[in-house]
Amino acid sequence: DAGITQSPRHKVTETGTPVTLRCHQTENHRYMYWYRQDPGHGLRLIHYSYGVKDTDKGEVSDGYSVSRSKTEDFLLTLESATSSQTSVYFCAISESKAGGQQDTQYFGPGTRLTVL
Amino acid sequence: SQQGEEDPQALSIQEGENATMNCSYKTSINNLQWYRQNSGRGLVHLILIRSNEREKHSGRLRVTLDTSKKSSSLLITASRAADTASYFCALQPGNTPLVFGKGTRLSVIA
Repeated sequence: DAGITQSPRHKVTETGTPVTLRCHQTENHRYMYWYRQDPGHGLRLIHYSYGVKDTDKGEVSDGYSVSRSKTEDFLLTLESATSSQTSVYFCAISESKAGGQQDTQYFGPGTRLTVL
Repeated sequence: SQQGEEDPQALSIQEGENATMNCSYKTSINNLQWYRQNSGRGLVHLILIRSNEREKHSGRLRVTLDTSKKSSSLLITASRAADTASYFCALQPGNTPLVFGKGTRLSVIA
């Protein structure tokens, strides 16, 4: 298994509180991604990173911010959590191929977040 | 939408039977990938097929790609109870992140 860990694995929080999820990799892969998975929607990309301090928005980025100060860590922050952000969050990593193309993705175990 | 659409949404078969699931899409792609997700776990990459390839095999898995019809199929032969999972197709339209479909839930009954 690719060396990807997510913390915390479970979190319950209240509306309006800030929440930070952490993704840590030991593979030295260039790309890191944050997804959310909800019934009926499949997997949707929130933000991704293509290098230290280089990030870009995904399909559902509103209400989320990210930071990547080191190759191995990618943080996802909900500045003020809402009930609509209750979801399972997955981190993924991928290598960079020739020409900058992204390779297959390896996923972390997920974080189950409940916002009351 | 760049998202692939899996069909069927759910599939239930007996152990030993073959399982076929399909993915249709609307955009041009560099490659198409299939992933498996066991309940409560992260996704696991199964196979990648590039736009210039028509068929790939990996163990009991066979993937086909028809770019003219913008469709792909995943065949699992001689299915086992352990194959019970959700299966997702993911498209790579260009040098952009993968776009995942909503998945097919496969149940293999022993």
